[in-house]
Amino acid sequence: QVQLVQSGPEVKKPGASIKISCKTSGYTFTTHYVHWVRQAPGQGLEWMGTITPSGDATNYAQWLWGRVSITRDTSTSTVHMELSSLRSEDTAVYYCARAVFSPTNAFFDHWGQGTLVIVSS
Amino acid sequence: DIVMTQSPDSLAVSLGERATINCQSSQTILNGFNNKNYLAWYQQKPGQPPKLLIYWASTRESGVPDRFSGSGSGTDFTLTISSLQAEDLAVYYCQQYYDFPVTFGQGTRLEIQ
Repeated sequence: QVQLVQSGPEVKKPGASIKISCKTSGYTFTTHYVHWVRQAPGQGLEWMGTITPSGDATNYAQWLWGRVSITRDTSTSTVHMELSSLRSEDTAVYYCARAVFSPTNAFFDHWGQGTLVIVSS
Repeated sequence: DIVMTQSPDSLAVSLGERATINCQSSQTILNGFNNKNYLAWYQQKPGQPPKLLIYWASTRESGVPDRFSGSGSGTDFTLTISSLQAEDLAVYYCQQYYDFPVTFGQGTRLEIQ
């Protein structure tokens, strides 16, 4: 069955960076884009970005102002999301999700379990 | 970006009764070429990731109970739960995928009355 398994929770200080992994299984990695969505405590869902399965192109949300980088490792079917210059407002649960229908204009049929990131001094 | 607005923000319904959640987009999400509305609905229970319920505004995802249905077109959409069960306690989100970037509604919290 399709699974997306994310790395564990993290606590970081303001200004630090974080890299979260999303290991996929149960489907052919190169047939679906993986996107990242975050959810601040008690808040809604915010789309962050995506990467082509081949790794040759990325798309990011403008509001992240260049602080995000998404990479992939085809050999392990894993997608990574790195967020730099962390601030307290980045405290959130970060989800990876498998896209359906279109690479970028997609809905999401499988989600990772989420990774809690706490940014605190 | 397309803004998705849900109403109400929270809703209390008795078990066995009908629950209706609305979602409005700031511009049409109906593709005139294929006549499809690019709208999905998700259910999120506490401590869990979102779960896809409906896509193309009215197509139920495999395994989703038939008490969940979606309707609407253009800019106005509705998620209906025909007979509320205790396990339906959750927050529900709509999402448009007509335009990039995809955007979500703010969520509607469904409570048992």
